[in-house]
Amino acid sequence: GAGVSQTPSNKVTEKGKYVELRCDPISGHTALYWYRQSLGQGPEFLIYFQGTGAADDSGLPNDRFFAVRPEGSVSTLKIQRTERGDSAVYLCASSLNGPTSGAETQYFGPGTRLLVL
Amino acid sequence: AQSVAQPEDQVNVAEGNPLTVKCTYSVSGNPYLFWYVQYPNRGLQFLLKYITGDNLVKGSYGFEAEFNKSQTSFHLKKPSALVSDSALYFCAVRDMGTSGTYKYIFGTGTRLKVLA
Repeated sequence: GAGVSQTPSNKVTEKGKYVELRCDPISGHTALYWYRQSLGQGPEFLIYFQGTGAADDSGLPNDRFFAVRPEGSVSTLKIQRTERGDSAVYLCASSLNGPTSGAETQYFGPGTRLLVL
Repeated sequence: AQSVAQPEDQVNVAEGNPLTVKCTYSVSGNPYLFWYVQYPNRGLQFLLKYITGDNLVKGSYGFEAEFNKSQTSFHLKKPSALVSDSALYFCAVRDMGTSGTYKYIFGTGTRLKVLA
């Protein structure tokens, strides 16, 4: 079956612009996670959705970052007034059930490589 | 606070030899522990996880990991390395929720290079 997909695969933007990154989770997965991976680092947790609601957004670095999942499936990560430091690979993952149900396995998408010039 | 340490940036091993990739963790309660592998230009792939029970966990592609509570370690192992195992490996930990968070914390990764 189809895995997690993310679009675009690459995004180049200018400092100060607004960007949207999209994630399509595995069908039927109720939990969705966003991570940011900088060069030479491991994935850094940003936000976790259970259904339509953000169950934990404690990893969002500041109020320029926002994410939505209006119908409990596709999610969009939105970054306002982008800065050069936002350049990274943004990873999305989904799991069948959320972390409150146990040690569920996350399935990752290939990521969106964001470059802010 | 939760944390994960992967003390080696790179591990080199000859093909056919056993390999170990190290991981230590710190959580406030009991941990859930995971290993993921990342190939170039591909997403992270799940290898194995420890929930509870047997300290030796078997996973995909012949990998296994040993949970050691006293040493707070979860080292990844394979009895006989293949060149195709060369990749970037990440250890991750999650608190069972007793601290009020369900965040996953990933290590910085260890690059495994298997030499033919």
